[in-house]
Amino acid sequence: AQTVTQSQPEMSVQEAETVTLSCTYDTSESDYYLFWYKQPPSRQMILVIRQEAYKQQNATENRFSVNFQKAAKSFSLKISDSQLGDAAMYFCAYRGNYGGATNKLIFGTGTLLAVQP
Amino acid sequence: GAGVSQSPSNKVTEKGKDVELRCDPISGHTALYWYRQSLGQGLEFLIYFQGNSAPDKSGLPSDRFSAERTGGSVSTLTIQRTQQEDSAVYLCASSPIAGGPVGELFFGEGSRLTVL
Repeated sequence: AQTVTQSQPEMSVQEAETVTLSCTYDTSESDYYLFWYKQPPSRQMILVIRQEAYKQQNATENRFSVNFQKAAKSFSLKISDSQLGDAAMYFCAYRGNYGGATNKLIFGTGTLLAVQP
Repeated sequence: GAGVSQSPSNKVTEKGKDVELRCDPISGHTALYWYRQSLGQGLEFLIYFQGNSAPDKSGLPSDRFSAERTGGSVSTLTIQRTQQEDSAVYLCASSPIAGGPVGELFFGEGSRLTVL
C-alpha cells in the first residue's frame, strides 16, 4: 500500500524568507501524481501545486516550487518570499493513475506552517 | 454555488445519536469522495462514488458508517450510534473525472462533528 510521510509537524519562517517542507512517499508504481494542498483556518483544502511522476521537470507555481526526486521518492515544497497569508497546514498527497479504479488521494499528516512578521 | 458545499458546518451530538452530513458537489463533477480529518492526523479516505458505478466503501471504519449519493449529485454520509471517537472534521471533495489526467480534487469546508 502507498504511504505518505511528512516528518515536520510544525515549521516557522520569517516573512519574505524561503522555507522548504519535506515529504516522502512509498509506492511500487511508476505512474502517479503528487500534490501539495494548503488548508487555512477556514478548513477548505486548496491545491497549491501538482507534479506528474513521468515529468522530470519540477513543477512551479509563482512562489511555490517542488523538488521532485523520483528515485528517492521525495517531494518537497519550497515557498519563496513567504507571506503572512501562507500560514496554514500543508498536506502532501499521492494519487495513483489506475485508469478507472478509485483514484483516491493518500495524504500525509501535514505540516503546520507559521509565518512570522 | 461554484464550489463544493457541505452542511452542517458544525454539529454537536450526544453519544449514541445518529447524524447525517450533506455534500453538494460542483455541478458536473462525476466523482465524489468523503474523507475524515481527526485532530493531529492526516485525511483518512472513507468512501468514493463515481457516476453510476458501485461505490468504493473500503475506507469506512465500521458498519455504523454509510453513505449514499442520489441522482449522481448530492451525497449524504450517515453515522449511526455515534461514538466519541467519531469526533472529527468530515471533508467532501469532488472531481470532474476520477481516472483522468488532472487528478485534482476540489474540497468543501467540511463538517465538524463533536460527539459528547
